[in-house]
Amino acid sequence: QSVLTQLPSASGTPGQRVTISCSGSRSSIGSNTVDWYQQLPGTAPKLLIFGNNQRPSGVPDRFSGSKSGTSASLAISGLQSEDEADYYCAAWDDSLNGVVFGGGTKLTVL
Amino acid sequence: EVLLVESGGGIVQPGGSLRLSCAASGFTFSSYRMHWVRQAPGKGLVWVSRINGDGSSTNYADSVKGRFTISRDNAKNTLYLQMNSLRAEDTAVYYCARKSGAGLFDIWGQGTMVTVAS
Repeated sequence: QSVLTQLPSASGTPGQRVTISCSGSRSSIGSNTVDWYQQLPGTAPKLLIFGNNQRPSGVPDRFSGSKSGTSASLAISGLQSEDEADYYCAAWDDSLNGVVFGGGTKLTVL
Repeated sequence: EVLLVESGGGIVQPGGSLRLSCAASGFTFSSYRMHWVRQAPGKGLVWVSRINGDGSSTNYADSVKGRFTISRDNAKNTLYLQMNSLRAEDTAVYYCARKSGAGLFDIWGQGTMVTVAS
């Protein structure tokens, strides 16, 4: 069971806006920034959002992140078929003294 | 090009040992904290361990503490994970990852598969 909580699945149609949520605790999301990772089938994870809402160079501005209290969200606008992947949130946890991940959300583009 | 390449995975019996390596290139390896993250087949990502730039400080997930040892050789630009007393539940793809400036992991290797089975 993952320390950060994500719904296992989400879906949307091309062009739609989809939001993926991530719930944590005071010692994790409540005290540290959140990253989001995209994992396409059969590949290594890729950094999508860091520091709650920062995009690395090369990541389209269709992807955005936010954080409030002990929860965070990833929003994908203008959904495209190539966005079909697993998405993971992650944060440092001060109590566990380690990184905690969400269980992942599988995004399906209908 | 910034690159991380893992090696050393394979099939090992329960109770056995394995050492994973992660060769880094394209950046000043000693300046970065490094991590190991694993992913069991069909499951999510799980953090395993981290080490600071000079190797003087390490952290481990409770599930591997006392069994796994993370280390690095900055002269060889290589990160290691020594895994002892392996269990079936350690079966996973093991990724090495670089700690980014403001976030957690900005560069990931391609992963190496470890299977613990008799």
